[in-house]
Amino acid sequence: QSALTQPASVSGSPGQSITISCTGTSSDVGRYNHVSWYEQHPGKAPNLIIYDVINRPSGVSNRFSGSKSGNTASLTISGLQAEDEADYYCCAYTTIDTYVFGTGTRVTVL
Amino acid sequence: QVQLQESGPGLVKPSESLSLTCTVSGGSISSYYWSWMRQPPGEGLEWIGYIHYTGSTNYNPSFKNRVTISVDTSKHHFSLNLSSVTAADTAVYYCARDRWGGYFDSWGRGTLVTVSS
Repeated sequence: QSALTQPASVSGSPGQSITISCTGTSSDVGRYNHVSWYEQHPGKAPNLIIYDVINRPSGVSNRFSGSKSGNTASLTISGLQAEDEADYYCCAYTTIDTYVFGTGTRVTVL
Repeated sequence: QVQLQESGPGLVKPSESLSLTCTVSGGSISSYYWSWMRQPPGEGLEWIGYIHYTGSTNYNPSFKNRVTISVDTSKHHFSLNLSSVTAADTAVYYCARDRWGGYFDSWGRGTLVTVSS
């Protein structure tokens, strides 16, 4: 199974909004509403920030939001803050009962 | 709040098997799925496979017949075995609680395994 496609890097100034795309196929992103997003700071484990395309776990800032259209899911970070500088990964459940992660996006706060 | 902790050798020789254990505390290992992921240095995440507390499993096809995941509910842990390792298997290995078909909501801190002679 091939990794989902994400931009290698996205940057923005504090207070701005940025969007990270995650493109898969009709066998993963496009098939189910089981897309999740993870934030990973250097040397740390990934942390769940969005699940089932649009839902935020308790304790996650409402500045993070998710959406999906066809085979592409998106993560938007509003009101960008210095603490948002991290790597972000999408993940999708597939038709063969497996998971596939995205290639990862490095977010830089200018 | 469930906590997960990976443990096992940090160095494995090429062609040998990598074995790791994930101990679950602060919550029940039953009624959930549990997954292993890995992340080579400087690279992205890769899902390896999952196990249900009943013992049912599924694996990433990329690992073909090299991977086995097992669970011991009495010891509150599940394990990963990856055979015939090469340098390409050098990575940080993570265990996580798997909300089956959806997402991973609790992760261990990860453990670095280096494959080298």
